[in-house]
Amino acid sequence: ETGVTQSPTHLIKTRGQQVTLRCSSQSGHNTVSWYQQALGQGPQFIFQYYREEENGRGNFPPRFSGLQFPNYSSELNVNALELDDSALYLCASSSLETQYFGPGTRLLVL
Amino acid sequence: DAKTTQPPSMDCAEGRAANLPCNHSTISGNEYVYWYRQIHSQGPQYIIHGLKNNETNEMASLIITEDRKSSTLILPHATLRDTAVYYCIVRSLNAGNNRKLIWGLGTSLAVNP
Repeated sequence: ETGVTQSPTHLIKTRGQQVTLRCSSQSGHNTVSWYQQALGQGPQFIFQYYREEENGRGNFPPRFSGLQFPNYSSELNVNALELDDSALYLCASSSLETQYFGPGTRLLVL
Repeated sequence: DAKTTQPPSMDCAEGRAANLPCNHSTISGNEYVYWYRQIHSQGPQYIIHGLKNNETNEMASLIITEDRKSSTLILPHATLRDTAVYYCIVRSLNAGNNRKLIWGLGTSLAVNP
């Protein structure tokens, strides 16, 4: 167990809807990273938050946005959902070197 | 793009050592080699990392060649629960790199009874 939790575990949405995914980081970790993993692929970096500021972003459109709160928990928001957004969304927390992952949220867009 | 190359799949007999290779010929001097594994769509699990010395922990050993262009993850006594996709990742710890992980497709390890 890494101490990183994510909610919900599974989610079904329809095209055009909006979704919010949540992540609680491990105690003492001030950095949260989000990844998207399509079936059969490795995770793809979405963005990272460090002390409530975005600290880098991957090749994802602006409809993917995020927040980090003072307790270092984080949200990933996706607007105008598309079918290709169906994936496992992973959150990882870290302090210095190693990222520790939560169990993920499985999103299905119909 | 991922900076590592791994075989897509490997088999190992239960109780034997599993040796998973990884090529990272373009690795830079300040980049670490990290290994994670992912069991059937769960979140990736950190295994081990190293810079240039060999490393060992309770899960595995990491052997890095002297020129650092390749490495091998060793699971000394594989069990059925070690069946997973294993990812080798090269990563800089410079703050300017925002410390993201760039993943390839990994090696799917099947441990057989």
